[in-house]
Parts: sequence; C-alpha cells; structure tokens
Amino acid sequence: NAGVTQTPKFQVLKTGQSMTLQCAQDMNHNSMYWYRQDPGMGLRLIYYSASEGTTDKGEVPNGYNVSRLNKREFSLRLESAAPSQTSVYFCASKFGRMDTDTQYFGPGTRLTVL
Amino acid sequence: AQSVAQPEDQVNVAEGNPLTVKCTYSVSGNPYLFWYVQYPNRGLQFLLKYITGDNLVKGSYGFEAEFNKSQTSFHLKKPSALVSDSALYFCAVRDGYRDDKIIFGKGTRLHILP
Repeated sequence: NAGVTQTPKFQVLKTGQSMTLQCAQDMNHNSMYWYRQDPGMGLRLIYYSASEGTTDKGEVPNGYNVSRLNKREFSLRLESAAPSQTSVYFCASKFGRMDTDTQYFGPGTRLTVL
Repeated sequence: AQSVAQPEDQVNVAEGNPLTVKCTYSVSGNPYLFWYVQYPNRGLQFLLKYITGDNLVKGSYGFEAEFNKSQTSFHLKKPSALVSDSALYFCAVRDGYRDDKIIFGKGTRLHILP
C-alpha cells in the first residue's frame, strides 16, 4: 500500500494563478483532510470530508475549494493564488468516526506563491 | 469550538533526563486527544491517543501521555530522552460529540542535548 500520496511535491506559482493539489489514499478510508503548515502557526485545518460526497470548512477555508472526487481522492484548489498561501500543505485520511481515529498523513506539498 | 494549546514553542532537555511537552484543550463534549511527531521534511506520524479509559496512555518510541480532565491537559512524557527524540511535536483534539473535525496545536520543538 502506498498510503496517502500527494502531488505535486513542490510548486511555484505567480500571484493570481490557479492550481489543484491532488491527494489520494489506498487504505479505504472514509475521512480525508487538508491542512496547511506555517512557521509559528502549526497545522491549521482548511477543509475536511467525513465521507464521499460531503465536505466541511475547517479553520482557514478562505481562498480554497475542495472536491471529494470519490472515496480515494480529495483535491484542494486555489482559484487565484496569493502570497499568503505560501505554505506546506498536508493531506491526511482516517478510516472513519467509529474507528480509533488515527490520521495518516501524506508527505506534503511545498507551495510558493510569488 | 474546540481548541488546543501548546504553551511552549521549544523545550530543551539533556539526553537521559525526563521530558514533558505540554498540551491543554477545550471541547464541548468528551475529548479525543492525540500526539503526533514530525521529523524534518516529513509528514506527521502518530504517537499515541486517548479515547477513553486509563488516564495514562502509552505509545510509540517509549512515549506516554497523561490525561487530566480537571486540568483539561494531555501532556506528553518520556522517562529518559534520546537525541533521536529531537523533532516537532503536535497535540490534536477531536470533540467526541461533534463531527469529524480534528484540530492541531501550534507544535512544540523538542531539542535533546547530548
């Protein structure tokens, strides 16, 4: 099993450009998450999806959209990138609400917006 | 709204000494609490969790954590620190009565001095 995979690993954008960060898991997990990590701010939840077909806002959803394409995939879209969105983005997944709640994290995507 | 606080940005401990990394939380229902560790340029790895039951939870790599409901704390501990324990540690909380939202603290950088 590959676990949680994220593409791309690195990306540089110019202000105003758009892009989609991809996340996929092969563990048959129900819940998926997007976090961003910034120095001094820790991990902040952007969006999450408790099951296929549902998404909910986290702590910092502004400027982002998500799609739970199917059970395996959860994408994060930046429609018009801003320098404030420079960050490391982590995707995570877990089996579901009735399990032991352990999240599994991907390796991260390092995004720079110029 | 649920929240978690890690009051120390950095903790320095001499190798062989006991270590404590502090975490306090706020939830409206029963807390589900977690500790994760992050090594440089890696995703987060699960260490241990408290769901219910015994207040002292044992986890990976010799770490343990003590749940204290009256003080709303979940401090991470290890009896004897190793240099290899140097990393960034995150506390996380899920509000057991609410949905699948999991919130992380800002992280504490642990330095073990040889």
